[in-house]
Amino acid sequence: GAGVSQSPSNKVTEKGKDVELRCDPISGHTALYWYRQRLGQGLEFLIYFQGNSAPDKSGLPSDRFSAERTGESVSTLTIQRTQQEDSAVYLCASSLGFGGETQYFGPGTRLLVL
Amino acid sequence: DAKTTQPTSMDCAEGRAANLPCNHSTISGNEYVYWYRQIHSQGPQYIIHGLKNNETNEMASLIITEDRKSSTLILPHATLRDTAVYYCIVIRSSASKIIFGSGTRLSIRP
Repeated sequence: GAGVSQSPSNKVTEKGKDVELRCDPISGHTALYWYRQRLGQGLEFLIYFQGNSAPDKSGLPSDRFSAERTGESVSTLTIQRTQQEDSAVYLCASSLGFGGETQYFGPGTRLLVL
Repeated sequence: DAKTTQPTSMDCAEGRAANLPCNHSTISGNEYVYWYRQIHSQGPQYIIHGLKNNETNEMASLIITEDRKSSTLILPHATLRDTAVYYCIVIRSSASKIIFGSGTRLSIRP
């Protein structure tokens, strides 16, 4: 079966523009996570979706960041009015959820804000 | 989630076993030990996890001490493709997000 996929794989944008990043989780996985990884640094948690529960948004760095998920499928991470410090790799992961903790990661979207 | 401590870097000769240690002295009873690795420019890859017993799969073995305060990931026959940053993480059974530390940068020398 297919793993987690993300698109686009690379995105270059100008400061101030909005960007949308997409994640397709593994089919049947009820939990979905977004992380950010700046160059040479570790992963930072952003947001977590579990089924129909309210998402855990505790890691979103500012109100310019938002994410949505349609049911138990696709998720989009939106960054409004991008800043240069938003440049990073944005990683999506999914897991079975409800105690199935093993998270499987996608290849990431490399975002560069000029 | 309990914090983990890993060496910053290690190296190993190709074909030899790579043994990566991890300390998690504050681990509690319902927390699992997970290992992931991240090869350059790729997303993290799940390797193995365990609770109390030693575990083995096609990628690696995980040895957990009896008191569960430390563990060792063993790559039995390291290859150049095993060069990566290896993360040891402790996760509650009902946890959601993973808190990644800085991991161990493993270099495999020919």
